[in-house]
Amino acid sequence: SFELTQPPSVSVSPGQTARITCSGDPLSKQYGHWYQQRPGQAPMLVIYKDTERPSGIPERFSGSSSGSTVTLTISGVQAEDEADYYCLSADSSSVFYVFGTGTRVTVL
Amino acid sequence: EVQLVESGGGLVQPGGSLRLSCAASGFTFNDFWMTWVRQAPGKGLEWVANIKQDGSERYYVDSVKGRFTISRDNAKNSLYLQMNSLRGDDTAVYYCASGAVATYWGQGTLVTVSP
Repeated sequence: SFELTQPPSVSVSPGQTARITCSGDPLSKQYGHWYQQRPGQAPMLVIYKDTERPSGIPERFSGSSSGSTVTLTISGVQAEDEADYYCLSADSSSVFYVFGTGTRVTVL
Repeated sequence: EVQLVESGGGLVQPGGSLRLSCAASGFTFNDFWMTWVRQAPGKGLEWVANIKQDGSERYYVDSVKGRFTISRDNAKNSLYLQMNSLRGDDTAVYYCASGAVATYWGQGTLVTVSP
């Protein structure tokens, strides 16, 4: 198996930009996907295939990829963005998946 | 509107069994892989298993191989997770999700393994 590493926490002031990284060997060849989980709620997909945004997800959420790292960027952070964020990717066979370690975003 | 509703969770003793169900609606169930994900109390997400559209391929995280079985009934738009030989570290909220990359999620069902 493999691991996907995220920073445990990110703090940001309202209106500023939050960037969350996810690093792991498979990401150089496999897509990364991002999920938001607000307290007490089920996770929700916010970015898929590195950069794609599902319908209904605000434009302030964007994704990028470079080498073995994918990044979730939240521009103009709002209080409602305070949540845990997880990345997800697959191994080389694209059938086994692993979630990242998770990042708590705190809006100051 | 996509809906996924899990059921079957509860309190079970170590070594016991439990069968989780997930009722799907709002999308063409047999067009999609389906996935189970769990989250232990206060911990992160853990991918557990997935199953191909026709059930011909199933994959598991190492920690549940040989104990858990994922299955589906496309006629009933339902996904299942049979959990045997349950251990304390299986205690978690179990979510079903649509697609191999978990596009839509249910609200989860809590499984507690305790004497």
